[in-house]
Amino acid sequence: QQKVQQSPESLTVSEGAMASLNCTFSDGTSNNFRWYRQHSAKGLEVLVSIFSDGEKEEGRFTAHLNRANLHVSLHIREPQPSDSAVYLCAVNTGNYKYVFGAGTRLKVIA
Amino acid sequence: ETAVFQTPNYHVTQVGNEVSFNCKQTLGHDTMYWYKQDSKKLLKIMFSYNNKQLIVNETVPRRFSPQSSDKAHLNLRIKSVEPEDSAVYLCASSYWGPSQNTLYFGAGTRLSVL
Repeated sequence: QQKVQQSPESLTVSEGAMASLNCTFSDGTSNNFRWYRQHSAKGLEVLVSIFSDGEKEEGRFTAHLNRANLHVSLHIREPQPSDSAVYLCAVNTGNYKYVFGAGTRLKVIA
Repeated sequence: ETAVFQTPNYHVTQVGNEVSFNCKQTLGHDTMYWYKQDSKKLLKIMFSYNNKQLIVNETVPRRFSPQSSDKAHLNLRIKSVEPEDSAVYLCASSYWGPSQNTLYFGAGTRLSVL
């Protein structure tokens, strides 16, 4: 069964500095990964979808996937205080289910 | 822009009561889901429907029952709530297809069981 772990649990960065979030998974056969963001008391917003090893950029958000290392990361360029939220990694298990990590709580200070 | 609508936003009830949550999506998707998010933000799939047919039914207590009238609506009923049912219930929708199934979420229904 796919297990998804995220690190760090929480991260504080200064406005403008790069923020890097990590996600490891246990089953490397998946080829469908997504990063979501959840602001307090709101639903999830998809940021980046990535389906093959390498890099995928969506605006200030870049995902890196390395299935051999069972790792997918998210990098946020020039983070702003409005980017403060919980970031969730989601791995598709191939049967129309996603397994989510427990999230990284990001705080961006001005 | 919100396209997955959940009602109510919050619900407070007592142990043993019955509750119902509603979800509607206007994205034209053919698959809908219910997820439960606990106090530590961990999301777990409960059910998913494709064109009104149940396709995923995780191990959830039998007091939970999903109901789908058409592919744009998926409701969740909890008969006789328990304290451990306190959580945020998130509805989502997507297209059917491995590379297209980005989940779009509603804002959630926060349930508190006293």
